[in-house]
Amino acid sequence: NAGVTQTPKFQVLKTGQSMTLQCAQDMNHEYMSWYRQDPGMGLRLIHYSVGAGITDQGEVPNGYNVSRSTTEDFPLRLLSAAPSQTSVYFCASSYLTGTRGTDTQYFGPGTRLTVL
Amino acid sequence: AQSVTQPDIHITVSEGASLELRCNYSYGATPYLFWYVQSPGQGLQLLLKYFSGDTLVQGIKGFEAEFKRSQSSFNLRKPSVHWSDAAEYFCAVGASINKFYFGSGTKLNVKP
Repeated sequence: NAGVTQTPKFQVLKTGQSMTLQCAQDMNHEYMSWYRQDPGMGLRLIHYSVGAGITDQGEVPNGYNVSRSTTEDFPLRLLSAAPSQTSVYFCASSYLTGTRGTDTQYFGPGTRLTVL
Repeated sequence: AQSVTQPDIHITVSEGASLELRCNYSYGATPYLFWYVQSPGQGLQLLLKYFSGDTLVQGIKGFEAEFKRSQSSFNLRKPSVHWSDAAEYFCAVGASINKFYFGSGTKLNVKP
């Protein structure tokens, strides 16, 4: 049981380049999410998914795309990287609960992205 | 607007001393409440959570937290801090599937 895995661990991009951050979980969780972590701001939700084929925007979605073709995988795409997207990115997964959303979210180790 | 406030950016305590990390939230109803810990270069690990019931919840590593509805607070406590507790601690509020908010974090330093 690997939990939540993310690749790569580190990445440096030039402005305008595209890339995909990979995320996979083996816990059969319905819910998966992407966060970015910036100093002094905690984690902010970028996009989330409640199941295969279902995605939606979080608090800071601009500049990012996601898709969920399987329960296990939830890649995050940067179509045209900007310096403002320099951050640490975390993927998380959890079971869904009742009206207030998710149970414990399990986090991956993170991807540190620098955009020059 | 919903928000989570951790008023202490940095805290330093001596090993063996007690610890209290503060968390206040702003939300109309009682949300789900969480405390996570992040060691340097690592992801986040759940310490404890509150959904309903007993307002004093126990977590891993000897941590506990108390939900106080009247104060909209969910403070984290530990009676005796160990050097391995040095990390960053995040309070989080889950209000719905697209409303999961983290505080800005409190960095804990432990003096020998």
